[in-house]
Amino acid sequence: GENVGLHLPTLSVQEGDNSIINCAYSNSASDYFIWYKQESGKGPQFIIDIRSNMDKRQGQRVTVLLNKTVKHLSLQIAATQPGDSAVYFCAEIPGGTSYGKLTFGQGTILTVHP
Amino acid sequence: NAGVMQNPRHLVRRRGQEARLRCSPMKGHSHVYWYRQLPEEGLKFMVYLQKENIIDESGMPKERFSAEFPKEGPSILRIQQVVRGDSAAYFCASSPRGKDTEAFFGQGTRLTVV
Repeated sequence: GENVGLHLPTLSVQEGDNSIINCAYSNSASDYFIWYKQESGKGPQFIIDIRSNMDKRQGQRVTVLLNKTVKHLSLQIAATQPGDSAVYFCAEIPGGTSYGKLTFGQGTILTVHP
Repeated sequence: NAGVMQNPRHLVRRRGQEARLRCSPMKGHSHVYWYRQLPEEGLKFMVYLQKENIIDESGMPKERFSAEFPKEGPSILRIQQVVRGDSAAYFCASSPRGKDTEAFFGQGTRLTVV
């Protein structure tokens, strides 16, 4: 969805559908890109990462795609479940550093309807 | 192995008071990051510390904010003379290595300034 003012983009899906969450990043020199899941009242939880020299990586029920040409990152969740409802953030780690300083995107609210 | 522990979970302070936020990293983790999250926004990097050293404080406000990670004990984020704009969720993350994409986040401290 389109981000207007302070409202986060939202995505509503039915249980069992596949979900695709998108993220545009700004730093073409980033080394790593990471997806985090944040449930209400909790800290972010690591989902999956991808190094900048890759374009696809798969995990359990999740796939991350990286398109460096247009600086776009996506997270695909297969067979989405109600427990997947959360805010999803992409984050990047800049190149040229020896530590994992994260720059987060604004986030997307995923709501899964049973 | 307990996760990253932050306390208190909720903290209410009057304007002008001091706020102290504590973070105990996971066992064996010597790298600590602090992030701030305003409502409906992503997390913003504040500071990166190793034991007894501040490595990167580029995200810390120049005044009133300080952080430490002593040889013994938790990392502390200290905010002096709090103002309403300091109200936010403050998250700590730890990792065993410098450039580790899988940093583990605590549950956060929600600071409310009244």
